[in-house]
Amino acid sequence: SQTIHQWPATLVQPVGSPLSLECTVEGTSNPNLYWYRQAAGRGLQLLFYSVGIGQISSEVPQNLSASRPQDRQFILSSKKLLLSDSGFYLCAWSVDNRGGKNIQYFGAGTRLSVL
Amino acid sequence: AQKITQTQPGMFVQEKEAVTLDCTYDTSDQSYGLFWYKQPSSGEMIFLIYQGSYDEQNATEGRYSLNFQKARKSANLVISASQLGDSAMYFCAMRLRSFGNEKLTFGTGTRLTIIP
Repeated sequence: SQTIHQWPATLVQPVGSPLSLECTVEGTSNPNLYWYRQAAGRGLQLLFYSVGIGQISSEVPQNLSASRPQDRQFILSSKKLLLSDSGFYLCAWSVDNRGGKNIQYFGAGTRLSVL
Repeated sequence: AQKITQTQPGMFVQEKEAVTLDCTYDTSDQSYGLFWYKQPSSGEMIFLIYQGSYDEQNATEGRYSLNFQKARKSANLVISASQLGDSAMYFCAMRLRSFGNEKLTFGTGTRLTIIP
């Protein structure tokens, strides 16, 4: 069965420091991968998605970037964190199917606090 | 642009009662999918149920059913015989089923609290 791993679970970083959040998927090949951010008490906002190695689509201009160095690995990065980068970050995966459901399955999330 | 509206910020329901969580959507596309996710206090988003815009029958998954009214653009989640473990945030989401479109648009969520 497929599983998704996301780490770390919580992170406290000072303003101006770099960031690297990692997400890996097991049990499937060539998944679509996503990074979302959830502000406190809000819905999810799609940040990046990837349909293949090295293919990254950005949804919202921001201080963050994403990379996909391997088929089942998705990394969210920042060179210099801002206070506004605080939030709950969720990674998700899906696979294309002819039924069109493309259900997205989520990791456990990373709670980032920028101080 | 598509939009999801969940008008109930919070709901309190007695254990074992049925509960309906409201969701309306706005899109001019004919082909789309609707999703419900549950987010417990741990934070993980758990997929519950899916409804395609061309599906003629309402989707059901165990105690979850989706009351899909296409003309009214509503996709309400019904939970039968609620349990204490159902206390969580619930999010409605939509995805346009156009080629290459991977974006899920989420509503702001409803916090459901089950009272013993």
